[in-house]
Amino acid sequence: GENVEQHPSTLSVQEGDSAVIKCTYSDSASNYFPWYKQELGKGPQLIIDIRSNVGEKKDQRIAVTLNKTAKHFSLHITETQPEDSAVYFCAARAAGGTSYGKLTFGQGTILTVHP
Amino acid sequence: DGGITQSPKYLFRKEGQNVTLSCEQNLNHDAMYWYRQDPGQGLRLIYYSQIVNDFQKGDIAEGYSVSREKKESFPLTVTSAQKNPTAFYLCASRQGGTGNQPQHFGDGTRLSIL
Repeated sequence: GENVEQHPSTLSVQEGDSAVIKCTYSDSASNYFPWYKQELGKGPQLIIDIRSNVGEKKDQRIAVTLNKTAKHFSLHITETQPEDSAVYFCAARAAGGTSYGKLTFGQGTILTVHP
Repeated sequence: DGGITQSPKYLFRKEGQNVTLSCEQNLNHDAMYWYRQDPGQGLRLIYYSQIVNDFQKGDIAEGYSVSREKKESFPLTVTSAQKNPTAFYLCASRQGGTGNQPQHFGDGTRLSIL
């Protein structure tokens, strides 16, 4: 099955700096890659996603890049703010068949933005 | 307001007891999912359902059971066979179709052993 590795497990930055979180996946047939932000005591919220026919996607201060050949994708947050502090998860969608729609998640990155 | 409601927010289980976690969605989504989250780990899939009256085991289904009698409801029962049930449980739903629609999550139930 699909395996997703996420690094780093913790990331500490100063307000205004950029933050980058990287994920690799194992199944070359995976074609959908969402990123979620989880605040303490809450469920994960989708912040951005990318499909395999696209190399990069941006939404204001957040961007995601995908390298299908290398099977890795990254989340980039620019001009970080203290409210960006949370746990971030990457995920990859398993290939079709009975696993339709099933996501495999990375282990999570705890991002701390210091004022 | 559309969304996913999980209840209760906190739940305590005694040894040998079964407990049921509720998940209700009013998004008219076809697919629903249950995940378990442990500290320092990602979300692990327990069970999922693509359509009413149908569900499949995920990666860690042992000690859990589900039902999907209604489109909007997907309750999870943690049985006494689950020896390490203490965790944060998350329910999610997704529009049916190609599979590339995002999953939307509830705010979870934290289960602890008494």
